[in-house]
Amino acid sequence: DIQMTQSPSSLSASVGDRVTITCRASQSIRTYLNWYQQKPGKAPKLLIYGASNLQSGVPSRFSGSGSGTDFTLTISSLQPEDFASYHCQQSYSASHTFGQGTKLEIK
Amino acid sequence: QVQLQESGPGLVKPSQTLSLTCTVSGGSISSGNYYWSWIRQSAGKGLEWIGRIYSTGGTNYNPSLKSRVTMSMDTSKNQFSLSLSSVTAADTAVYYCARVTTWKYLPSHLEYWGQGTLVTVSS
Repeated sequence: DIQMTQSPSSLSASVGDRVTITCRASQSIRTYLNWYQQKPGKAPKLLIYGASNLQSGVPSRFSGSGSGTDFTLTISSLQPEDFASYHCQQSYSASHTFGQGTKLEIK
Repeated sequence: QVQLQESGPGLVKPSQTLSLTCTVSGGSISSGNYYWSWIRQSAGKGLEWIGRIYSTGGTNYNPSLKSRVTMSMDTSKNQFSLSLSSVTAADTAVYYCARVTTWKYLPSHLEYWGQGTLVTVSS
């Protein structure tokens, strides 16, 4: 199984801040990496697929980068609606796995 | 617009089998462009990928659950299902179904999700 490790596990930030969340894979997954946003009591929502492809309808302040084992999700200027949990997921192996999640809270 | 809806018992006794169904609207599960997946999330925890099924009936399961998981499809009802046997309290979670979109010819991202259904394992 490919293990996915996100950091940090939690993060406090303010509206307008630039925020970066990191996801590391236990082996190379090329660019088969997806990012999701989840708000309390709701299903996750797809933000980024293929490491850097913005899902239709997702604001351009969200961006993804990376390849191989190291990936980042960046929010360029935090908005109030961005305070949520974020999950990475690898889709390289037959068994897809998620990171443990990052909770983004208001400072 | 594709919509998915999970259904099934909210309470299952230990050692019994958890059975859930996902009903899909706005698209056919027989379409060869997509896979169909189950994911779960325990309270306060991260997401756990359970497995996926393709229109041909082919499946891939999480190795840690493989011995207890079975997925199936009913194309006449546009539904797919999850069975998880010999459940314990550790299987208590919100269970989601989702549609998997392919990218570069491989099953990739979870583009559409159901709202999730809470299943509690307790006597």
